[in-house]
Amino acid sequence: SYELTQPPSVSVSPGQTARITCSGDGLSNHYAYWYQQKPGQAPVLVIHKDSERPSGIPERFSGSSSGTIVMLTINGVQAEDEADYYCQSADIGGRSYVFGSGTKVTVL
Amino acid sequence: QVQLVESGGGVVQTGGSLRLSCAASGFTFNTYGMYWVRQAPGKGLDWVAVISYDGDNKYYPDSVKGRFTISRDNSKNTLYLQMNSLRAEDTGVYYCAKDGEQQLVPPNGGMDVWGQGTTVTVSS
Repeated sequence: SYELTQPPSVSVSPGQTARITCSGDGLSNHYAYWYQQKPGQAPVLVIHKDSERPSGIPERFSGSSSGTIVMLTINGVQAEDEADYYCQSADIGGRSYVFGSGTKVTVL
Repeated sequence: QVQLVESGGGVVQTGGSLRLSCAASGFTFNTYGMYWVRQAPGKGLDWVAVISYDGDNKYYPDSVKGRFTISRDNSKNTLYLQMNSLRAEDTGVYYCAKDGEQQLVPPNGGMDVWGQGTTVTVSS
């Protein structure tokens, strides 16, 4: 299987835009998924299939993909968006699933 | 509403065994693949096992292959994880999660619903 690389941390002021990248060779062949995890809570899916937003997820969350890099964008960041964010994908040929190491988003 | 509730965690000695359960409700359990994902204290998410909607296909990472077994009872809407030969590095919170799409083999629809997790502590 392959690895997914994320920056350890991103800091952003309220109302600004946070961008989190995730890179990995397999991303050109498989969808990426993004999860938000707040302290002491289970992860929540915020983006699926690279860029689709599940029901109930605010419109300020969006995803994009280009080759082996995917990006989660949070427009107009709010204090409640402070959390860890993980990208995830699959290596279907190898029948395995991989998570990025996570990015801590801090709202200043 | 769609809900997953894990149970069965606890403290076990190195080399011991534990069986986790995940009770599902609010969706047609027998049409979705299911996952187990764990998180060591202060660390990131780590995929542990996956099973197809019908139970016929199961996959594991090398770190647990041969020690962990995923299974499901579609008549009881319940997912299981049998963990044997436990090691200190297996310590963490174990989550079950539902695949985002029906009847994919292998499951590949992302993990759209998660349980609250159950804690496993392996001590020497």
